[in-house]
Amino acid sequence: QVQLQESGPGLVKPSQTLSLTCSVSGGSISSGGYYWSWVRQPAGKGLEWIGRISAGGSTNYNPSLKSRVTISVDTSKNHFSLKLRSVTAADTAVYYCARDGGYTSSLTDWGQGTLVTVSS
Amino acid sequence: ENVLTQSPGTLSLSPGERGTLSCWASQSVSNDYLAWYQQKPGQAPRLLIYAASSRATGIPDRFRGSGSGTDFTLTISRLEPEDFAVYYCQQYGSSPYTFGQGTKLEIK
Repeated sequence: QVQLQESGPGLVKPSQTLSLTCSVSGGSISSGGYYWSWVRQPAGKGLEWIGRISAGGSTNYNPSLKSRVTISVDTSKNHFSLKLRSVTAADTAVYYCARDGGYTSSLTDWGQGTLVTVSS
Repeated sequence: ENVLTQSPGTLSLSPGERGTLSCWASQSVSNDYLAWYQQKPGQAPRLLIYAASSRATGIPDRFRGSGSGTDFTLTISRLEPEDFAVYYCQQYGSSPYTFGQGTKLEIK
């Protein structure tokens, strides 16, 4: 059973860059043809898909965030990463990483989530 | 983007009753690539149903997904105490993936 774990700073200042990493264990990030997604959830609100990456580096982003987001993958370390630039208080949320089966099954496995607060 | 609307916002039922949750899409969901997730407080979402009607690994058969095109339903046949949670639908037939706003299933 694959496991995912988010890590990164819990506090980011406005206008700076939010950086998170998702470490994958129990399986190789390169096997199975999966994508790897990021999803966020502001406190008390719904889910928003940020984007995804394949092991080969192919990306898809939510147009609402595309100008500020970069998702990258490091297969040697079996992890993938999220960078969100020019953050504001509206970016405060729990950020989840997830294994994305794409058309076969969508978001099958999730990390526990990490709270990122944007505040000075 | 394909906007998903869930109904009702809150559903109050008792254990043992049948729960019916609805999800409507603003555009037809390509190939009925519609998923349902359950989320409990402080936890990550858990995949229940994918491709509108296929149960994910380990999901009890009291959870049933149905529908096609723009209208989808999640039915929980006999509610167990652990089923009271928030449920989200999600379409993954077109980019960007989108989620409904959620239905809170609470104990009556």
